[in-house]
Amino acid sequence: AQKITQTQPGMFVQEKEAVTLDCTYDTSDPSYGLFWYKQPSSGEMIFLIYQGSYDQQNATEGRYSLNFQKARKSANLVISASQLGDSAMYFCAMEGGKLIFGQGTELSVKP
Amino acid sequence: EAGVAQSPRYKIIEKRQSVAFWCNPISGHATLYWYQQILGQGPKLLIQFQNNGVVDDSQLPKDRFSAERLKGVDSTLKIQPAKLEDSAVYLCASSPTGGYGANVLTFGAGSRLTVL
Repeated sequence: AQKITQTQPGMFVQEKEAVTLDCTYDTSDPSYGLFWYKQPSSGEMIFLIYQGSYDQQNATEGRYSLNFQKARKSANLVISASQLGDSAMYFCAMEGGKLIFGQGTELSVKP
Repeated sequence: EAGVAQSPRYKIIEKRQSVAFWCNPISGHATLYWYQQILGQGPKLLIQFQNNGVVDDSQLPKDRFSAERLKGVDSTLKIQPAKLEDSAVYLCASSPTGGYGANVLTFGAGSRLTVL
């Protein structure tokens, strides 16, 4: 069975600093995808970044990068130069036929 | 392009009443999903449609929940009768295709249900 685990219920970061949100996963499928979504207080889920299990390089999208360590089954999200607008819930998700989500990490950016 | 539309945004009902949520996906998206998100938790997949066929409904409580996607476009999720534990946000999402690969889902704003 597939499983996604986010062990940090809440994180604080100072504005303009970098922050890493942890995500570990478990699957027996050789082919899968890993995603990060952001959910602001408005409730809508916003896609941030994707990493395929066969991708050799870590994915990057602007200030977001995914630190993919396949052997450790981890897919941590790194946000560089945090902004106040980054304050939100962040969900790691895995797809192997269907998309399943972790419990989320609430990120608070301090001015 | 227009996003995923959901209605109503908010609904308050008493237990044992019924409620229906509507979703209109992005035009041309073949796959439509309904997720349930209980406060403080990640979204849980209830049902996935590919066009107008059901791909996965393994976590749908079929004794009280039903969903349909007539003509492979918009979809309705119904709860009858509602229980207190059904209080949650119901998120609809769509994607061009389902399954493996960079299958990015686009989500609607959600329908928040409160059962009293």
